[in-house]
Amino acid sequence: GNSVTQMEGPVTLSEEAFLTINCTYTATGYPSLFWYVQYPGEGLQLLLKATKADDKGSNKGFEATYRKETTSFHLEKGSVQVSDSAVYFCALSYWGTGNQFYFGTGTSLTVIP
Amino acid sequence: DAGVTQSPTHLIKTRGQQVTLRCSPKSGHDTVSWYQQALGQGPQFIFQYYEEEERQRGNFPDRFSGHQFPNYSSELNVNALLLGDSALYLCASSETDRGRSKETQYFGPGTRLLVL
Repeated sequence: GNSVTQMEGPVTLSEEAFLTINCTYTATGYPSLFWYVQYPGEGLQLLLKATKADDKGSNKGFEATYRKETTSFHLEKGSVQVSDSAVYFCALSYWGTGNQFYFGTGTSLTVIP
Repeated sequence: DAGVTQSPTHLIKTRGQQVTLRCSPKSGHDTVSWYQQALGQGPQFIFQYYEEEERQRGNFPDRFSGHQFPNYSSELNVNALLLGDSALYLCASSETDRGRSKETQYFGPGTRLLVL
């Protein structure tokens, strides 16, 4: 089946620290991979995506590379800011399932000044 | 462009009642998906509507039903509410390409339902 496993949180970092949130997936085909971010009291916003192996998605200083050999899509940012405090969800979408999304359980990030 | 909108933002119901949640998709989008997000969890897929028909369904009981209107807006209905139905309900919309939903979905802010 299809599933996503995320690094458990919560994660607390100081401003300007390096961030990594691990994500691995299981899929029956060749999914597209996504990172969504959810700020307190809000819905999900698309952060970045990658549609095939070795693709790198990037946005707002965040990056993630689609690694088929390790079935991973780890999220990284070189220098986090207080405004990055949110919950981050890794997800996969598989064309064969009509693009139904499968989400991880989310990783809460708090950045302190 | 308004993006995906949902109403109401918050709702309180009691066990056994019925509830209807509403969603308007992003302009130009014709596919609507609904998700349930329990506290501290990732969203779980409920179902997807396209051309006014339920195209796909997740692992949710028949108490969860939906509808899509000709203008692509959608409703989620939940009957015989249980305490465990308390969650954030998210609507997501997407475009189609040759009858298949495009991969990127855009989410609304959600409706927070509390069942007492």
